[in-house]
Amino acid sequence: NAGVTQTPKFQVLKTGQSMTLQCAQDMNHEYMSWYRQDPGMGLRLIHYSVGAGITDQGEVPNGYNVSRSTTEDFPLRLLSAAPSQTSVYFCASSYALPGGTYNEQFFGPGTRLTVL
Amino acid sequence: GESVGLHLPTLSVQEGDNSIINCAYSNSASDYFIWYKQESGKGPQFIIDIRSNMDKRQGQRVTVLLNKTVKHLSLQIAATQPGDSAVYFCAAAPTGGFKTIFGAGTRLFVKA
Repeated sequence: NAGVTQTPKFQVLKTGQSMTLQCAQDMNHEYMSWYRQDPGMGLRLIHYSVGAGITDQGEVPNGYNVSRSTTEDFPLRLLSAAPSQTSVYFCASSYALPGGTYNEQFFGPGTRLTVL
Repeated sequence: GESVGLHLPTLSVQEGDNSIINCAYSNSASDYFIWYKQESGKGPQFIIDIRSNMDKRQGQRVTVLLNKTVKHLSLQIAATQPGDSAVYFCAAAPTGGFKTIFGAGTRLFVKA
């Protein structure tokens, strides 16, 4: 199993450009999430999904869109990049226990994004 | 909302000593607590977790203690090794495990 994969590893954008960060997992996990990590800070939840067709907002959703058309993929879209979105982005997935409670998350290697 | 904080941004220990990393959370409704380890340039990696119906859980060389009365949890690493050098995050989630909130992290330095 490849686990959680993210592409690209690095990206530089100009202000106003759009792009999609890709995330895929091959563990058949229902739960997937996107975080951003800024220097000296913990991870902050952007959006999450509990299954195909179901998404919800996290702590810092503004400026980001997500969709979940398959169990495997959970792309993150930046519609109009801003310098404040310069960060490292992590995708994660998790599996549900009977009863619907989720466990620890498995993280991808991250995408380092710079917006000029 | 929930906030999760760590008491020290950095911790330096001698190889072979025990390490203790502390964390506090604010939301009494938090039900699930997790410790992650992040090495430079990598994504966080699960170490150990504990649910609110427990106060202690042990793994291989690691122990997590949960004190719900004062909303505090700690990670203890026995016989710390150079490979334990990393940033450690505590995280808290409400019942169901959604919307996990992370603390800022403690960087552990292990001196040889």
